[in-house]
Amino acid sequence: AQSVAQPEDQVNVAEGNPLTVKCTYSVSGNPYLFWYVQYPNRGLQFLLKYITGDNLVKGSYGFEAEFNKSQTSFHLKKPSALVSDSALYFCAVSPTGFQKLVFGTGTRLLVSP
Amino acid sequence: KAGVTQTPRYLIKTRGQQVTLSCSPISGHRSVSWYQQTPGQGLQFLFEYFSETQRNKGNFPGRFSGRQFSNSRSEMNVSTLELGDSALYLCASSAGTDYTFGSGTRLTVV
Repeated sequence: AQSVAQPEDQVNVAEGNPLTVKCTYSVSGNPYLFWYVQYPNRGLQFLLKYITGDNLVKGSYGFEAEFNKSQTSFHLKKPSALVSDSALYFCAVSPTGFQKLVFGTGTRLLVSP
Repeated sequence: KAGVTQTPRYLIKTRGQQVTLSCSPISGHRSVSWYQQTPGQGLQFLFEYFSETQRNKGNFPGRFSGRQFSNSRSEMNVSTLELGDSALYLCASSAGTDYTFGSGTRLTVV
């Protein structure tokens, strides 16, 4: 069965510092991996995805993620956090590539001024 | 281009009633999937439709059903509502590996 783990319920970081939100996955075959962000009372906004190719994926709003096949990880990173980055972040895997997304439990990111 | 439109945004229903939620995908997208988001269970996949056919279904009781029309708009229906059905229901419109979510319908069952 496919699954995604986000080991941290919350990540706290000061504005201007680098941030990392962790994600590991378990899936058979080649995974398609995604990061989404959710602001209060809103849907999910796409940040980035890994399908194939370069292990370092660059996405929206200065976010990037590194696909590590040996560690089955896809951690989200940003060199310099902004207060406006405070939100709920979800990692997801699409085992079949097209039909559905399996989400992690989410990580709340709090960026303090 | 227009995004994914979900209606209504908010809904309050009484236990035992039924409810229908609507999702209009991005123009040209033929796949629509539905997700339930609750504080306890997180984001869970309900079902996915492509060209009016259900291709995949999650682990939800038969009270949850859906359909897709020829214009790709989709509806999901929940019958005999229970308190535990209170949730944010999200739909996603997709083409290939591009999934775009709507703002969701917040359903409260009282």
